Amino acid sequence: EDQVTQSPEALRLQEGESSSLNCSYTVSGLRGLFWYRQDPGKGPEFLFTLYSAGEEKEKERLKATLTKKESFLHITAPKPEDSATYLCAVQSYSGNTGKLIFGQGTTLQVKP
Amino acid sequence: DSGVTQTPKHLITATGQRVTLRCSPRSGDLSVYWYQQSLDQGLQFLIQYYNGEERAKGNILERFSAQQFPDLHSELNLSSLELGDSALYFCASSVVPGDIQYFGAGTRLSVL
Repeated sequence: EDQVTQSPEALRLQEGESSSLNCSYTVSGLRGLFWYRQDPGKGPEFLFTLYSAGEEKEKERLKATLTKKESFLHITAPKPEDSATYLCAVQSYSGNTGKLIFGQGTTLQVKP
Repeated sequence: DSGVTQTPKHLITATGQRVTLRCSPRSGDLSVYWYQQSLDQGLQFLIQYYNGEERAKGNILERFSAQQFPDLHSELNLSSLELGDSALYFCASSVVPGDIQYFGAGTRLSVL
């Protein structure tokens, strides 16, 4: 069964204090791994897609990396506006449906 | 703005009632997905449609049903509502299955 586990559940950082969020996954044939950002009461906002081990993508202060078993979302010198819940999801080739299996998320709070 | 429109934003109803949630996908997107987000379960895939046809089903209750119309908008029907059905319901769309999914702002359902 496809499964995604994110850690930590919650993370508090001071502004400028870099850190990483972890996403461990098991999937029968990884089609893609997705990172989304979700603000309270809003829909998930797409950040990155990674398709193969070794791939990296960057956007402003965020950098996502992928191995065969996990993905990391590195946050460099975060600002208070980076506070949100970060969701990781996997998509399998099985059934060619495109459905996403999500982890429980990591809630990030960045204090000024 | 993701381009995915969901209505209504909030819905308050009583146990035993039936409600309909509506989703208009991004222009050009053929695939629509429905997800349920509750505090204890996280984001869970419910059902997917592609170009009017059901493509995949997740852990969707028999009391729930959905359809995608010729103009590609989709409706999620929830009947015989129970307290436990209270959650955020999200619609997402993609060009084709497997492509990046963009989420709407969600419908918050409260069953009293």
